[in-house]
Amino acid sequence: EVQLVESGGGLVKPGGSLKLSCAASGFTFSDAWMSWVRQAPGKGLEWVGRIKSITDGGTTEYAAPVKGRFTISRDDSKNTLYVQMNSLKTEDTAVYYCTKYGGAFDIWGQGTMVTVSS
Amino acid sequence: DIVMTQSPDSLAVSLGERATINCKSSQSVLYSSNNENYLAWYQQKPGQPPKLLIYWASTRESGVPDRFSGSGSGTDFTLTISSLQAEDVAVYYCQQYYSTPLTFGPGTKVDIK
Repeated sequence: EVQLVESGGGLVKPGGSLKLSCAASGFTFSDAWMSWVRQAPGKGLEWVGRIKSITDGGTTEYAAPVKGRFTISRDDSKNTLYVQMNSLKTEDTAVYYCTKYGGAFDIWGQGTMVTVSS
Repeated sequence: DIVMTQSPDSLAVSLGERATINCKSSQSVLYSSNNENYLAWYQQKPGQPPKLLIYWASTRESGVPDRFSGSGSGTDFTLTISSLQAEDVAVYYCQQYYSTPLTFGPGTKVDIK
């Protein structure tokens, strides 16, 4: 079964850090471009960033609101995607989804909630 | 950045009737080298992650009922639900993958009248 399972969400104070993980199964993770997409409570979808497959260079790109604060990485030996989130702001509060990027986002995880609050 | 807009913000349609959602991009998402529109549609039900319905503007994802169809090219696109079913109540988003940052429309909420 094709599956993405996020973990690592929780409550963090403004200025704090958090690292999310996404475990992939059911497809060749090492060939996949992967993304994080977030959704603030009651709001729409916002792309956070993506990482290409290692064979395609393994490069990353980020949305402006998170550039310089978030770092996306992957461990193909563990079939796992990560996002390290530093200098968190209250506006980063959202459900964070891990997605497989096959042009469009064709596979989504269930999401993990990140709450940034004092 | 490519800005995506959708209309209407919400609509209520009777069961079995047609629902039409429009999406406009601030610049063309048609890639001339392969003549493909880099436009997708997603359905999101409450408490669930989004689900891919349509990609390349008009290609239905595997398993998606054929009452869902996508059309349009360049900057103007439409998602049509030909005969609304109760399980189609959801928010629908369009998204461009022509260039980064990848961007979504604000969503259209579909309800039963």
